[in-house]
Formats: sequence, structure tokens, C-alpha cells
Amino acid sequence: SYVLTQPPSVSVAPGQTARITCGGNNIGSKSVHWYQQKPGQAPVLVVYDDSDRPSGIPERFSGFNSGNTATLTISRVEAGDEADYYCQVWDSSSDDLVFGGGTKLTVL
Amino acid sequence: EVQLVESGGGLVQPGGSLRLSCAASGFTVSSNYMSWVRQPPGKGLEWISIIYSGDSTYYADSVKGRFTISRDKSKNTLYLEMNSLRAEDTAVYYCARGLRMYSGSYSTYFDYWGQGTLVTVSS
Repeated sequence: SYVLTQPPSVSVAPGQTARITCGGNNIGSKSVHWYQQKPGQAPVLVVYDDSDRPSGIPERFSGFNSGNTATLTISRVEAGDEADYYCQVWDSSSDDLVFGGGTKLTVL
Repeated sequence: EVQLVESGGGLVQPGGSLRLSCAASGFTVSSNYMSWVRQPPGKGLEWISIIYSGDSTYYADSVKGRFTISRDKSKNTLYLEMNSLRAEDTAVYYCARGLRMYSGSYSTYFDYWGQGTLVTVSS
């Protein structure tokens, strides 16, 4: 089955840029979606189809996908961005929906 | 306003059964892709099942043959019937609405999630 690999943790100072990667075999050929999950809460969609933002998500959140790596970029990081972030794809070859293992973003 | 409210979680013994419900409002369950995603305590998200608007269903290997996804059009509710439960099924179970898209290939993502219901499998 298809595997998505994320770093367990990323740390960044307020106001700086955070980049969270999601690795997968030829992931650039798939559409990648990203979710934010704060403690005790349900996940929230922050980016879909590699780089599109749902209504209400700040422009500070952006995405890019090419080759074997997709990246979620959070610009001008705020304390409120501290959360777990998950990437997700649909693997059409096996009809499986796959999540990455998640990355904990810490705002220093 | 779109809302999803799960219920039915609780403590069950290994080998037991449980049925989760997800009551929807603000949209029609039967016209949408609907899914269940679970999260073991302190761990990541795991997709377990999806039902398409055309009633096709798919399952993760970890629950295939034990779990059944279904929906009741009249109640606008999604269900997950769980049998032969194991300790490793212990998790918060979320229902989510799926959106299907095509951008060179088909994909599905979730735009609305419920608040989750905790299932604990233990003797």
C-alpha cells in the first residue's frame, strides 16, 4: 500500500516560516490534502488539491507538490498555528485513502 | 450550516460489537461521499471506510470483514457497524464528509468532520 512519510516534529519561532514535508513515491502525480489538528479537536482542512485553500483559511497557509515530496508552508507563524499537521492522498491503485503519520508543529 | 454529530461510542469487551452513528445536518448524507476515520490515543489518523454516493463501499485492510459502513436516507445518518472488536480498535472515531475531485487523477478529501466518539475495547 502507498506510504506517506512526514517528519515527527518541526519547530519554528513566531513570525518565521514553517515547512512541513510529506514524502511519497511519485507523490507529484497525486493530489495532496493537508489537515490541522489541535489537541482535543477534530482535524480541519487547511489545503486541498496540493495548493488550494478552503474558505476561511489564511493566505499564510500554502502548498506545493512535485516529484516525491509535497510541502505545506506556513508563513509568519503564530502561536495559534501550533498543532499536528497531516497530509493525505487517495491511492487509486488500491482504492485506499492514506494519511501521513503527522507532524507536530511547535512554535518556540 | 453543516454539522456532523457522532454517537454510540463506549467501553466494549474484546470480541464484542458496537454501532456508531453520525447524524448529519445542513446537507444530504446519501448524496455525498461519507467516511469514517479513527485516531488511537496519542497516535495519528487512520482512514477506515468510505461510502460513495452510488453506495459503493471501501475499507482499510485492518477492518475489512469486521466493520460495515452504511447510511439511512430517512434519518440522514451514517453508521459504522463494528464486530469482532480488538484492543487495537481502541480510538476516537470521526465521521467526515468527503469531496471527490479530479485533477489529472481522482482524489477525495474531507471538508467537514464530526467531533468524534471514543471507543474503548478492553476487558
